[in-house]
Formats: sequence, structure tokens, C-alpha cells
Amino acid sequence: GENVEQHPSTLSVQEGDSAVIKCTYSDSASNYFPWYKQELGKRPQLIIDIRSNVGEKKDQRIAVTLNKTAKHFSLHITETQPEDSAVYFCAASRPDYKLSFGAGTTVTVRA
Amino acid sequence: GAGVSQSPSNKVTEKGKDVELRCDPISGHTALYWYRQSLGQGLEFLIYFQGNSAPDKSGLPSDRFSAERTGGSVSTLTIQRTQQEDSAVYLCASSSQGGGNQPQHFGDGTRLSIL
Repeated sequence: GENVEQHPSTLSVQEGDSAVIKCTYSDSASNYFPWYKQELGKRPQLIIDIRSNVGEKKDQRIAVTLNKTAKHFSLHITETQPEDSAVYFCAASRPDYKLSFGAGTTVTVRA
Repeated sequence: GAGVSQSPSNKVTEKGKDVELRCDPISGHTALYWYRQSLGQGLEFLIYFQGNSAPDKSGLPSDRFSAERTGGSVSTLTIQRTQQEDSAVYLCASSSQGGGNQPQHFGDGTRLSIL
């Protein structure tokens, strides 16, 4: 099955700086890569996703890049704000199988 | 429309008791997932239902855990003879299609505490 590794496990950034989280996956047939944000005590919520027919996708301060050859994808958050503090999960799946999640990255934005 | 609904939101029970957790997926969603999340940890996959197919039970940690999905909608996760290590938040998610390629929508979870 799919194995997703996520780094770093914790990330502390100064407000206004950028944050980058990287994930690798093992199954070359995977073609869907969502990112979820989970605030303390809340449910995980989808913030952005990318499919294998594109290399990059952007939504305001959030962007995701995908390198299918290297089997890795990354989340980029620019101009970080205190409300960006949360746990972020990456995930990967092939069309015929369930999502596999990374272990999560705890992001802390320092004021 | 309404999102994924889980009940109860909190459950406290004594070790050795059985518990039932309920999940109401988004209407029309054919796929339903259960996850367990211990404090400060990631999402541990438990079980996956897709339409009328046999469920993927590969994540269930022991035979004390079981789940049903009746009529392709509501699902119940049952934990028998609860142990303290079962204490966690149990999250349910649904998606519009089975397999990958579709976003999962999560409920607020049931926080289970075993005394």
C-alpha cells in the first residue's frame, strides 16, 4: 500500500515568514494529493489539493507543488499569520484506493 | 447542506464496558471512513466502507473493534470490553466517491475517555 512520509514534524516560524512542509509517497500510481489543516480541538479541514496532471496550484497565501518523478509534494504558506498555527496533514491516493495520511506537522507562528 | 455528524461528542465510560459511536455522513456520499486520533498524534485509519463492497477492515486494532454501515448511510463503530488505551478521539469522514481522488469531509469526532 501507499506510504506517506511528512517532514518536519514541528515547525516554528516568525509571523510574516514562509513555512514549507514536505511529503514523499511510495506508490507511483498515486494521483491525488490533498492537504488538511487541523486546529486545536477541531476537525481536519481540506485547505488545498492537487492532482497529478498539474505541477503547482495556488490559493491566496497557500501553494502546493508536486514532483511526480521524485514522488514528493510540498505545501508552502507565505506571509504566515497567527491563525496559520495548526497541525497540517498531507495525504496521497491512487484512484482505486483510500487516502494515506502523513504523520502531521505542527506549525507554530510566533508573533 | 449538513456536514458529517457524529454522536456523542463526548463519551466517558468505565473499563470493560462496550461503547457505540455513530456517524451520519453527508447525504449522497458513498464512501465512509473511521479514524482514531490519540492526543497529539496523527490519523490512524480504522475501517473504510464504499457502497455495497466489503469494507476494508485492515486498520482495526483488535477484534474488540467492529463497525457497520446500514443502508449505505449511517455507520456505527462498536468497541467491546473497552481498555484505557482505547481513549482517543474517533473521527468519521465521508467522500462523494470511493477510493481516492475525492476530498474527505470530517466530522467533529467523538472524544472517548475510558476510566
